[in-house]
Amino acid sequence: DADVTQTPRNRITKTGKRIMLECSQTKGHDRMYWYRQDPGLGLRLIYYSFDVKDINKGEISDGYSVSRQAQAKFSLSLESAIPNQTALYFCATSDSWTGKYNEQFFGPGTRLTVL
Amino acid sequence: RKEVEQDPGPFNVPEGATVAFNCTYSNSASQSFFWYRQDCRKEPKLLMSVYSSGNEDGRFTAQLNRASQYISLLIRDSKLSDSATYLCVVNKGSGAGSYQLTFGKGTKLSVIP
Repeated sequence: DADVTQTPRNRITKTGKRIMLECSQTKGHDRMYWYRQDPGLGLRLIYYSFDVKDINKGEISDGYSVSRQAQAKFSLSLESAIPNQTALYFCATSDSWTGKYNEQFFGPGTRLTVL
Repeated sequence: RKEVEQDPGPFNVPEGATVAFNCTYSNSASQSFFWYRQDCRKEPKLLMSVYSSGNEDGRFTAQLNRASQYISLLIRDSKLSDSATYLCVVNKGSGAGSYQLTFGKGTKLSVIP
């Protein structure tokens, strides 16, 4: 079984719709992250969380919100989707207790298309 | 200088060849350095962490030069399965930035039979 899972894996939606992407992990890691990847660009951090109910903005948080209600789950919401949010979205985790807190492990990604 | 800069490639090499990728970073306060590989439309996977001047893992060697602010990845005896995009990753430096990673755009490698 995958350590980091994301649902859905693919989603097509329309402009203005609310969308939620889910991430779950069985690694027992305390830190979780959401990134987006666009063709020709590096991964960009949207939000990150160090613990339950801890939320921090990344470099491109506008238009997104997140929720961390349990250590194993981190959800990303697009309140009103727009076409330029079409991208590949990745969730990642890391473990602060090992000291290698920046070694991040990624889920399989969600391909989101906003029409 | 861009935060993390890599040659985009593509690098097309025959099986068995040795290939090297370079990466430069702009923040001298950065302390964490990684190489990830990413297959097409898949998630990035951690290949190597570089915590001192460098380390080696089988056919892969990573080196760090803090004075010049660059990191390299050397792949010896290339295999077809090494074909992927290699991402150079650096943390943003001190304070809150120490927990945030900057990803390079990647260098594409194709190993040819």
